[in-house]
Amino acid sequence: GQSLEQPSEVTAVEGAIVQINCTYQTSGFYGLSWYQQHDGGAPTFLSYNALDGLEETGRFSSFLSRSDSYGYLLLQELQMKDSASYFCAVRDKGGATNKLIFGTGTLLAVQP
Amino acid sequence: ETGVTQSPTHLIKTRGQQVTLRCSSQSGHNTVSWYQQALGQGPQFIFQYYREEENGRGNFPPRFSGLQFPNYSSELNVNALELDDSALYLCASSLGQESYEQYFGPGTRLTVT
Repeated sequence: GQSLEQPSEVTAVEGAIVQINCTYQTSGFYGLSWYQQHDGGAPTFLSYNALDGLEETGRFSSFLSRSDSYGYLLLQELQMKDSASYFCAVRDKGGATNKLIFGTGTLLAVQP
Repeated sequence: ETGVTQSPTHLIKTRGQQVTLRCSSQSGHNTVSWYQQALGQGPQFIFQYYREEENGRGNFPPRFSGLQFPNYSSELNVNALELDDSALYLCASSLGQESYEQYFGPGTRLTVT
């Protein structure tokens, strides 16, 4: 089967650093993406890792280890507006389809 | 540049009815994917359209069908609605089959009673 595991909830304070982990087990793998979704809103793209290592985009960084089937999203200098659900998603190009397989999401609550 | 739009925003249907949801892709994007997101869950892949052809399908029954038009907009049709079909339906567009970034619309909230 295919599964992506993430913690269901994480709480942190403004200005802190938080790491959201993701482990995956999928039949195909072409990369790991992270999406942010505010309550009732559209998922928005944050980052993508196709190769092992760290990718940095402003306050957000994402890491991938393909040998461990593991990745994480690191959020620095947390702000109240970062309170949202965060999803890891495996990009699976089985056949000709370029599809995303999403985890169940991590609800991040940032407190003052 | 116009983002991905979906209509309607909300919809209430009765079990057994049929529904059509619509999506306009971001300008220039030729690939559209549809996802179903149940409350508290991650989006689940329904199917993808590339240049008007179905390009892959997730684990959904045939009563879920779709279309893509020459302008790359798309429809999702669901027949014989069931209570479990109640969910947020998301459309995502991307530039080609090789693009790793998908742009999501705000979704259609479907409630089946």
